Amino acid sequence: DVVMTQSPLSLPVTLGQPASISCRSSQSLVHSDGNTNLNWFQQRPGQSPRRLIYKVSNRDSGVPDRFSGSGSGTDFTLQINRVEAEDVGVYYCMQATHWPYTFGQGTKLEIK
Amino acid sequence: EVQLVESGGGLVQPGGSLRLSCAASGFTFSSHAMHWVRQAPGKGLEYVSAIIANGVSTFYANSVKGRFSISRDNSKNTLYLQMGSLRSEDMAVYYCASGDGTNRGPQSWGQGTLVTVSS
Repeated sequence: DVVMTQSPLSLPVTLGQPASISCRSSQSLVHSDGNTNLNWFQQRPGQSPRRLIYKVSNRDSGVPDRFSGSGSGTDFTLQINRVEAEDVGVYYCMQATHWPYTFGQGTKLEIK
Repeated sequence: EVQLVESGGGLVQPGGSLRLSCAASGFTFSSHAMHWVRQAPGKGLEYVSAIIANGVSTFYANSVKGRFSISRDNSKNTLYLQMGSLRSEDMAVYYCASGDGTNRGPQSWGQGTLVTVSS
């Protein structure tokens, strides 16, 4: 199985400051069709997960533009510009190139 | 608006069986892959199973292969997960999720249903 490794696992951030989460895969996520199927999810406390980003850098409808995704191959990053209180929660990367699809361990973002 | 409503969770003894259902609305169910993802108490997300739009192909995590079976009834807009030989490590909130019809993996998620495995 593809192992997804996130860092850091805990991320205290001051309101209004940027935040960055790294996600590395144990093998390339480039599919034979040319797509890189790396998604990011947000899970707020007590809620179901919500997809934020698909195929590395595409924001889902309704996702604020302070969220952005980047990366290629095996190294990916989720960046949040100017963290807001509503961003508190756990963030997961997930690869959907190789079966079984796999998630990272999760990064817990909290406000300092 | 996409709505996914899971049901069927509850308390089951080790070795027992349970069938989860997921009622879908707000999108063309028969055109989307569907997924089950679980989350043990206080833990992260674990992919369980997926089924393509027409139901012909199914996929399972190694941890549930041979014990769980995913299916769908496109005439009823409903997804199922038949779980057997349940173990304590299967205890989790089980989420139903829909694909977006184009990209791989889940997009929209239900609220989840809790499965408790205990004697």
